[in-house]
Amino acid sequence: GQQVMQIPQYQHVQEGEDFTTYCNSSTTLSNIQWYKQRPGGHPVFLIQLVKSGEVKKQKRLTFQFGEAKKNSSLHITATQTTDVGTYFCAGQDAGNMLTFGGGTRLMVKP
Amino acid sequence: DVKVTQSSRYLVKRTGEKVFLECVQDMDHENMFWYRQDPGLGLRLIYFSYDVKMKEKGDIPEGYSVSREKKERFSLILESASTNQTSMYLCASSRGGRFEQYFGPGTRLTVT
Repeated sequence: GQQVMQIPQYQHVQEGEDFTTYCNSSTTLSNIQWYKQRPGGHPVFLIQLVKSGEVKKQKRLTFQFGEAKKNSSLHITATQTTDVGTYFCAGQDAGNMLTFGGGTRLMVKP
Repeated sequence: DVKVTQSSRYLVKRTGEKVFLECVQDMDHENMFWYRQDPGLGLRLIYFSYDVKMKEKGDIPEGYSVSREKKERFSLILESASTNQTSMYLCASSRGGRFEQYFGPGTRLTVT
């Protein structure tokens, strides 16, 4: 079945540093979604990427979908303490099954 | 604003007990999902439903069953709880197959 790998599993950064998490699928995806889960909270949808090579921005967050539609990344510029949480990618295949990556837990030191 | 609610935030049950976890969504969503979340393993799909009385197995259905008698309600049943089912259980709903999922607050289940 489809597998979605996400790295790194954990990342500590100093406030103001940049952060990137990477997502790789074993199969070609129809789209990829990103979610954020704050400590003690539940996953909240951030964005969906559909097109090959697509890049979308939300303030300091930049999301990319690879040309082959098998990988994606989330980059945060100048992290803030409010960025703390676990970021999940979720890849959707042609059959509409959504498979979540293991998540990257971001910790920000003020 | 979509709201997904779950019957309990915390639950402690004994091995062998039958456990019911309930989920209700208020946005008339077609699809509903049950996941379990364990450290380092992300979210793993247990079961999902795309219509009333319809259900499909996810990646880890063993030891679980589900029920969807009404569109807004999706129940997860542990027929005979075991300690390896201690986990965070998350319910989600979505408008359709290619739309984002909205999650409930989660139920942290401990089986002793």
